[in-house]
Parts: sequence; C-alpha cells; structure tokens
Amino acid sequence: AQRVTQPEKLLSVFKGAPVELKCNYSYSGSPELFWYVQYSRQRLQLLLRHISRESIKGFTADLNKGETSFHLKKPFAQEEDSAMYYCALRANAGNNRKLIWGLGTSLAVNP
Amino acid sequence: KAGVTQTPRYLIKTRGQQVTLSCSPISGHRSVSWYQQTPGQGLQFLFEYFSETQRNKGNFPGRFSGRQFSNSRSEMNVSTLELGDSALYLCASSLGGEDEQYFGPGTRLTVT
Repeated sequence: AQRVTQPEKLLSVFKGAPVELKCNYSYSGSPELFWYVQYSRQRLQLLLRHISRESIKGFTADLNKGETSFHLKKPFAQEEDSAMYYCALRANAGNNRKLIWGLGTSLAVNP
Repeated sequence: KAGVTQTPRYLIKTRGQQVTLSCSPISGHRSVSWYQQTPGQGLQFLFEYFSETQRNKGNFPGRFSGRQFSNSRSEMNVSTLELGDSALYLCASSLGGEDEQYFGPGTRLTVT
C-alpha cells in the first residue's frame, strides 16, 4: 500500500540552524513526491516537487529511492520558515493517481 | 487571478442531516479535488473531478459524493452526517489534475 510517513510532528530549531524535515514513503513503483507548506492563516501551497529539482526559499529535497525518502532541507532556517509542512506522494502509473499525504511536521524556528 | 473559493466557510449540522459544500476553482482549471482534514488522520483524499467526471476516488463511504458542473465548479455532499464527519474540507484545483494543486481556504464542518 502507498504510505507517506513524517516521523516528527513538531520540529523546533533556532534561527540560522540547519533544518531537515523527514519524509519516508512506501510505494513499489516510481513515485512523484511533493512538499506542501501551510503558513499561519494561509492556504496550503506547493513548496517543491522532486521532478523540478528546484530550490525554493532555500529549501531543497532529494528523492532517495534506495532509502525511500524525500527529506526537506535548508542550511540556515529563518523565522519566516515556521509553518506546517506536508510531504505527499502520487503514483507515477496506473489509473488511481491520487495524492497520498503524510500527517505533517510543524516547524518552529525560534529567534 | 482569483484563487479557489469555498462556501460556506463554517457550518454546524446535527447527526443525520446532510450537507452540501461548494468549491469554485481558479478560472481555466478543469480539475477539482476534495480532501478531508482531521487532526488524527491528516489530509485524506475524497475524490477528484475533471471535466464533469469523477476521475479518482478515495476510500470513503458512499455517503460522500460529489459532482462537477460545466463551469468546473464542484459540490460535495455528505448524507446522514456522523460525529466523525467533523473536519476541515479542502478543495484544490489544477489545470489538468497532475499540475500544481491550488487549495481553497476550506469549509469547517462541525457535526453535533
């Protein structure tokens, strides 16, 4: 079965520290992976997707098929990065290409 | 351009009643997906509509249904409400369903 696991419900770091939000997935095929973010009082929005291989707001994420992970990283956290982060997976084949979501990690960046 | 809108924003219903939620996608978007969000289960996919047809479906009982109109607006209906249906219902639109999803603000449903 397809599953996305975000092991940390809450992650607290100090401003300027590196941050890594973990995402592990379970899927037998070749998935598409996404990170979505929800800032306080704002809507859920796409942060990045693995096929783009972009760096958005200083965040990067690399798909590691061997470890079935898609961890989100930023070398120097900023206070404005405080938000709820969701990892999501979509099957890359077949008819049912719905998004499967992790439960989210709340990131708090302290001054 | 205007974002995804959802109405109503808040709703209180009693058990056994039914409810209809509405979602207006971004202009030009043909895909609308619905999600249920609860603290315990997180975001769970309900269904996706594309060009007035249900294209994908999650694992929810038949009490949950939806439809999409020719202007891409979508409605979601829940019949015979249960306490466990209390949740934030989000809709998201995208151009073709596999593009970036743009989320609405959600409808907070409370069932008493």
